[in-house]
Amino acid sequence: DGGITQSPKYLFRKEGQNVTLSCEQNLNHDAMYWYRQDPGQGLRLIYYSQIVNDFQKGDIAEGYSVSREKKESFPLTVTSAQKNPTAFYLCASSSLMNSGANVLTFGAGSRLTVL
Amino acid sequence: GQNIDQPTEMTATEGAIVQINCTYQTSGFNGLFWYQQHAGEAPTFLSYNVLDGLEEKGRFSSFLSRSKGYSYLLLKELQMKDSASYLCAVRDSNYQLIWGAGTKLIIKP
Repeated sequence: DGGITQSPKYLFRKEGQNVTLSCEQNLNHDAMYWYRQDPGQGLRLIYYSQIVNDFQKGDIAEGYSVSREKKESFPLTVTSAQKNPTAFYLCASSSLMNSGANVLTFGAGSRLTVL
Repeated sequence: GQNIDQPTEMTATEGAIVQINCTYQTSGFNGLFWYQQHAGEAPTFLSYNVLDGLEEKGRFSSFLSRSKGYSYLLLKELQMKDSASYLCAVRDSNYQLIWGAGTKLIIKP
């Protein structure tokens, strides 16, 4: 079955540590996204990528980094520079970004807690 | 600035009908989406509106009025499994998605 796999589902981090969240899709989608979800707020875009080896900052990119070495994979690193990293992180993909009817398919999410 | 407003929480009874409203102010408009998200899970696509009017899909319908910056999601014959958050999102002139904070729907027997 096609879909998006995020791992780990739960992650605990000590202050000062970098952590990497994995996102893999087998939908043959060109575009991939990382969102952050906090209680009482809408999804906020961290980074997105439309093609391999290219990515763009979203609204809240500070303290995060990504790579897109393969079409299927879009890992997110939460660095120690991110001051408030505790959140639910969602990876998504879509076939075409600049299309009105572009529907996102989401992974199950990764919940990061900083101790 | 760009803004999407939805009620924070709503309660309804199993078997009844509920309407979840969404108002938006965005830089341009290229479509409005509704997603369903159960607690701790991935959002899943429900509906897409780009023209004014009602789109019906089984027990769920979505309405759009572009002139009023307004949409609603109508859920009929509510079931306990419909307890979830419902997210409204608008695609702006740059094809970026602007998300509302979501409406938590509680279904009571």
